[in-house]
Amino acid sequence: EPEVTQTPSHQVTQMGQEVILRCVPISNHLYFYWYRQILGQKVEFLVSFYNNEISEKSEIFDDQFSVERPDGSNFTLKIRSTKLEDSAMYFCASSALAVETQYFGPGTRLLVL
Amino acid sequence: QKEVEQNSGPLSVPEGAIASLNCTYSDRGSQSFFWYRQYSGKSPELIMSIYSNGDKEDGRFTAQLNKASQYVSLLIRDSQPSDSATYLCALSLDSSYKLVFGSGTRLLVRP
Repeated sequence: EPEVTQTPSHQVTQMGQEVILRCVPISNHLYFYWYRQILGQKVEFLVSFYNNEISEKSEIFDDQFSVERPDGSNFTLKIRSTKLEDSAMYFCASSALAVETQYFGPGTRLLVL
Repeated sequence: QKEVEQNSGPLSVPEGAIASLNCTYSDRGSQSFFWYRQYSGKSPELIMSIYSNGDKEDGRFTAQLNKASQYVSLLIRDSQPSDSATYLCALSLDSSYKLVFGSGTRLLVRP
């Protein structure tokens, strides 16, 4: 069964460093998403991406964040200058259509020291 | 006002019992509803989606949606210890791509 994959599974970085989280969505899906979950808190939407552009973003998704689909398979989230409060689990998701089920990848646990 | 509300639990049921999980929401523009299961440290895993009023059954799981009362529920029949997890209610709004999640209800199934 097709699934969303994410790399790395864990990332430790120093405050102020740039990190890139990578995702490979399900191959025939057209909509891609990033969510994050701070430990003990709810899953929060960051951004959605369709047709090579951002379709929606939350207030969390400020200028420090960017997304890109550099090729036909990868979808990346870049955090330019990490802060301590960026420590969280980051989930990539994809869906075939906008209102259909979103399937989540296994996540990247980011720890900012 | 919270958009999606769930009782945090834990909800403890004996093995073989029916577990009933509830979720209320505030935005009447909510269009699609989802139940995800999340084991500790893992990603949300889809259990069921429901889009129209009424019941939808899939194996041991039944989702119920009542848009007039703005609630959605999940029944798990013949609960198993492996069902012990946090159950997340999520919805999508009209003209929006994002899922809005509740905080989740922790379910414990006692052997």
